[in-house]
Amino acid sequence: RKEVEQDPGPFNVPEGATVAFNCTYSNSASQSFFWYRQDCRKEPKLLMSVYSSGNEDGRFTAQLNRASQYISLLIRDSKLSDSATYLCAVEKSGGFKTIFGAGTRLFVKA
Amino acid sequence: EAGVVQSPRYKIIEKKQPVAFWCNPISGHNTLYWYRQNLGQGPELLIRYENEEAVDDSQLPKDRFSAERLKGVDSTLKIQPAELGDSAVYLCASSSGLAGSEQFFGPGTRLTVL
Repeated sequence: RKEVEQDPGPFNVPEGATVAFNCTYSNSASQSFFWYRQDCRKEPKLLMSVYSSGNEDGRFTAQLNRASQYISLLIRDSKLSDSATYLCAVEKSGGFKTIFGAGTRLFVKA
Repeated sequence: EAGVVQSPRYKIIEKKQPVAFWCNPISGHNTLYWYRQNLGQGPELLIRYENEEAVDDSQLPKDRFSAERLKGVDSTLKIQPAELGDSAVYLCASSSGLAGSEQFFGPGTRLTVL
């Protein structure tokens, strides 16, 4: 079993739709969680960190469930420009090693 | 502020040839990472530096890969000899090194081994 697992998708949604991605992690000692966005043939860029209390940035909402060991990303009112791969990243404690998931591809269509 | 700089952006070599990648991190970032990303996969850590010290190289194939970070700034990743399976994007990233801090990635070097 991989340490960080994501649904690879792809998710094909129309503009304006709400879409949610989940990411599960196996190491209960993980301490920091992130969502990165990666456009085709580009480098990953931080979308948002995920806090225990959950956090929201505009149309994006991230949540953490430590008991079930998963994090989620919700995108509301999808835009064409949201089309990308979304990478989940989990930072392990005691060494700060970051493990990335394989990514979930999102296509938003007009 | 300049981001993470990598060169070259693309490299095509024949198998068994050597290849080197260079990375200049964001100024002031003590932590530097080298990742390998295969198509359809997330980045996989090869080596992490804290200043000039390699603190995690457990995933680095040491029979053919080597890395250095002299003076704790720029870093070079080398493969010798390259194999077909080494074709991938090699990403360099840097961060402040604090727990929970963002990693800033360079544009990557796309390596093709023929």
